[in-house]
This record gives sequence, structure tokens and C-alpha cells, in this order.
Amino acid sequence: GQQVMQIPQYQHVQEGEDFTTYCNSSTTLSNIQWYKQRPGGHPVFLIQLVKSGEVKKQKRLTFQFGEAKKNSSLHITATQTTDVGTYFCAALPGAQKLVFGQGTRLTINP
Amino acid sequence: DGGITQSPKYLFRKEGQNVTLSCEQNLNHDAMYWYRQDPGQGLRLIYYSQIVNDFQKGDIAEGYSVSREKKESFPLTVTSAQKNPTAFYLCASSHDGGYGYTFGSGTRLTVV
Repeated sequence: GQQVMQIPQYQHVQEGEDFTTYCNSSTTLSNIQWYKQRPGGHPVFLIQLVKSGEVKKQKRLTFQFGEAKKNSSLHITATQTTDVGTYFCAALPGAQKLVFGQGTRLTINP
Repeated sequence: DGGITQSPKYLFRKEGQNVTLSCEQNLNHDAMYWYRQDPGQGLRLIYYSQIVNDFQKGDIAEGYSVSREKKESFPLTVTSAQKNPTAFYLCASSHDGGYGYTFGSGTRLTVV
């Protein structure tokens, strides 16, 4: 079935450093969504990207959707300890159910 | 406040027993989903339902069963046929099956 590949699987940074996670698909996606799951918690919806080349910002978070609508990225500028967690991308390849990437687990050294 | 309630938060089951996980939402969402998450892993879809009295198998439906008798409720039964049921189970809902899933706080099931 449809797969969404997410890299890296783990990322450890010093507080204040930037962080980026990437999501890739072999097929064109109708949209891409991003979720954050805090340790011990549940995924929380962050944003949805729909248009080719779309860029959206939420404070220190920047989300991009590739021109071919096959890849996406989430970039966090100047990480803070509150950013700790696992970030998932999720895509709707066409059917009415999201396919989730494996997630990128972010840990931060204060 | 609207949201999804999963219960119980923690559940222990003996091998060979069936157990039912509850999921209730008051968001008036049409679609509901069950995901399984293993430690350090992503989310795998078990079952989903887009309307009442209808549901479809996801990627790992074997050993699980669901019902959707009411729009608000989508219980998941983990049967004794599920070989490795210990996991974190997440229920989610969405308005139209697409935009922004809302997740419950999850149930951690342990087989003892």
C-alpha cells in the first residue's frame, strides 16, 4: 500500500539548534498533514498543506510542501525543551484514511 | 468542551481473554479510526468507519473487531486471536475523513 517515508528516525540537538524532519512519497499526495506527539501523550494535529510549493509558518515552525507534492518538511528554528516529542507526517494518498510516516523523535539537551 | 474520550487509560488482560476498548466522541465527526502504536513506532491503522453501521479493515485488522452502532461511539475489541496485543491504542475522529484528525488520549493494553 501507500507508504510515506520519514527521516531521520531520531534527532538529538542542543537547545537553540535548528531541527528538520523530512517526509517523502513515491506518489503524488493530495495533501500532507503534520502531528506532534509528546512523550507519553497522543498525536496532536499541527497543520495541513494542500498546494504545490506551499509554505506555512507557526511561530518557530516552518512547514513546506514540495512542488511535485511528493515531499514535505518541518523545520524548527532555535529549538526549545518544549519541542521535545515525535513529529509525524501523514498523507491522504486518495482514499479517506491517513497514512502516517514512522515519525522523527526529537530529543533536546538543555 | 468537545473531544474524544478513551477508556480505560491502562488495561491488563490475561492471555486468551477478549477485551473491549471504549472510544466516545462529542465532536459530531462522521469518521472514526483505531490505530495501534508500538514503542518507538509509527501508527498503524486497525479499522476505520466513515458512517454509522459501516466500517472497513485497515492494515492490521486480524485479531480485532469493531462496531459502529452510534455516531459517537466506536469500540474496539481485541480478541484472543491477536497474537501480540500489548500496545498503545489510539482512537481518532475527523469531520470528513480528511482534515486534521483529533486523537483520544489512548489506552495502554498489557497482556499478562
